[in-house]
Amino acid sequence: GAGVSQSPRYKVAKRGQDVALRCDPISGHVSLFWYQQALGQGPEFLTYFQNEAQLDKSGLPSDRFFAERPEGSVSTLKIQRTQQEDSAVYLCASSLAPGGGAKNIQYFGAGTRLSVL
Amino acid sequence: KQEVTQIPAALSVPEGENLVLNCSFTDSAIYNLQWFRQDPGKGLTSLLLIQSSQREQTSGRLNASLDKSSGRSTLYIAASQPGDSATYLCAVSKWDNAGNMLTFGGGTRLMVKP
Repeated sequence: GAGVSQSPRYKVAKRGQDVALRCDPISGHVSLFWYQQALGQGPEFLTYFQNEAQLDKSGLPSDRFFAERPEGSVSTLKIQRTQQEDSAVYLCASSLAPGGGAKNIQYFGAGTRLSVL
Repeated sequence: KQEVTQIPAALSVPEGENLVLNCSFTDSAIYNLQWFRQDPGKGLTSLLLIQSSQREQTSGRLNASLDKSSGRSTLYIAASQPGDSATYLCAVSKWDNAGNMLTFGGGTRLMVKP
């Protein structure tokens, strides 16, 4: 596709429910990032993939959060037993290569807004 | 741990004004700095990227400067227009073998009044 696509755009979950958020990066992009953006704040890093390898998951807030990118393309962020504090916009970004200069400009999707009731 | 701060948090100006948005960061060992624009309900659009070896970048009415040693960047917007109304985010990256994840500031919410 022309850009990074995320689905669903909006998700309402009851507390305790499991959710899965999908990210389709730009075709051919090696690097993929997940960020969490709370209302009125800047995005915060969650995890990073280089192809199918998850090289950094230091930002995941708890073991209820799990991300995968099995084929090195589409990625899924899964949140188990959702809590109210998980309510946020989840942004996915991809970049062409883990290198320097223009190659590592990150292109962002529109995000998934998760509301946990 | 890298911390990024943006001042002011919100700004309202009349159309046509020149304005400056400020960004500061605590760890000067950065790989690059980016300025993004975020419109309500939408993702982030990259405006300018400054490599750590560069001092500034320009695109149209936008000019971003970087002083790595003092941990500061400014985004200058000339002749502001109502269409510039959005949240502006700065972000720094620190390269390591695990990639170049971004650390963001809290953003400046800009409103340009006609």
